Amino acid sequence: DTGVSQDPRHKITKRGQNVTFRCDPISEHNRLYWYRQTLGQGPEFLTYFQNEAQLEKSRLLSDRFSAERPKGSFSTLEIQRTEQGDSAMYLCASSLVRGAWETQYFGPGTRLLVL
Amino acid sequence: GENVEQHPSTLSVQEGDSAVIKCTYSDSASNYFPWYKQELGKRPQLIIDIRSNVGEKKDQRIAVTLNKTAKHFSLHITETQPEDSAVYFCAASPKPNNAGNMLTFGGGTRLMVKP
Repeated sequence: DTGVSQDPRHKITKRGQNVTFRCDPISEHNRLYWYRQTLGQGPEFLTYFQNEAQLEKSRLLSDRFSAERPKGSFSTLEIQRTEQGDSAMYLCASSLVRGAWETQYFGPGTRLLVL
Repeated sequence: GENVEQHPSTLSVQEGDSAVIKCTYSDSASNYFPWYKQELGKRPQLIIDIRSNVGEKKDQRIAVTLNKTAKHFSLHITETQPEDSAVYFCAASPKPNNAGNMLTFGGGTRLMVKP
């Protein structure tokens, strides 16, 4: 499977615990995006990387959230001191900018439930 | 920032009929308009996209139209089949540049195709 992959697919945690998600983009894709999707809503942008540089963060990304893409390949999203409001699907997407346009391809997501 | 409104939120059609989903956007800088299909528990999958330099694009039973003056775009599915049943999301984004290219999604349309 050469698509975007995410791990784990499901995570149940207790409030206050830290969690970390991983995203492996499509090989050679230079941009990687994180989105959050709550039930019945469209995905909302969280942050994105161009290679290893984190270039933009949404206001949705509180200081409990941190993302890295250390070698410009896979990325991790960590949530510290989880809250029940963090329960959502966390989606990763990757793209290759060619010329003037890019297309984002999504991973299967990590569904987080905070009890 | 960009705001994307999507209508209707639910749409039920008889197999073989056409379905139309409409989206409006607020930011005149938006230049790229993809449509994603998301089946229950699965990743959003790109089904068609349109760029600002064209007004219409067709791919078999799926077509998208764009009216930049009115800032709206629509998805048209003809000869609907039960397997078209899913949630459809429209999105908008500016032309990619070093400042980022995050997608702003509409709220989604749940399409149900009755056999």
